[in-house]
Amino acid sequence: GENVEQHPSTLSVQEGDSAVIKCTYSDSASNYFPWYKQELGKRPQLIIDIRSNVGEKKDQRIAVTLNKTAKHFSLHITETQPEDSAVYFCAASPNSGGSNYKLTFGKGTLLTVNP
Amino acid sequence: DTGVSQDPRHKITKRGQNVTFRCDPISEHNRLYWYRQTLGQGPEFLTYFQNEAQLEKSRLLSDRFSAERPKGSFSTLEIQRTEQGDSAMYLCASSSGRSPLHFGNGTRLTVT
Repeated sequence: GENVEQHPSTLSVQEGDSAVIKCTYSDSASNYFPWYKQELGKRPQLIIDIRSNVGEKKDQRIAVTLNKTAKHFSLHITETQPEDSAVYFCAASPNSGGSNYKLTFGKGTLLTVNP
Repeated sequence: DTGVSQDPRHKITKRGQNVTFRCDPISEHNRLYWYRQTLGQGPEFLTYFQNEAQLEKSRLLSDRFSAERPKGSFSTLEIQRTEQGDSAMYLCASSSGRSPLHFGNGTRLTVT
């Protein structure tokens, strides 16, 4: 089955700096890669996702890059703010019948943005 | 709130008791998923429904676990003869078509 490795497990940055979180996956059949943000005691919330037919996607201060050959993808957050502090999870999924299911998650990165 | 809702939010039970959790997905979503999350880990896939059909079950889902979605709307997850190792957050998610998975707030189970 799929195995997703995520690094680092903790990341501390100063407000305004950039943060980068990296993930690798093992199953070449995976073709959908979402990122979720989870604040303490709350639900995981999707912040950005990318499919294997593109190499990069950006949404304001958040961007994701994907290298299918190397089987790794990364989350980039620019101009970090204290409210970005949370646990971030990467995930990978095969596509079945046009839908995404059975996400395999990394172990998460605790991001702390210091004011 | 038109998101995924789960009930109860918290459940404390004694070892050996049975528990049942409920999930109400986003109304137009035909796919429903159950995941389990333990402290310091990412969510782990348990099972998946398309409408009322349970299409896949993880090996994590022992015989003590059963999930149903009888009318293709809400779902229940039952754990029989609970063990301390069952203590976790049980997350439900739903989706439709190529939409991303939307998670509920989860049910936190503590087995004493």
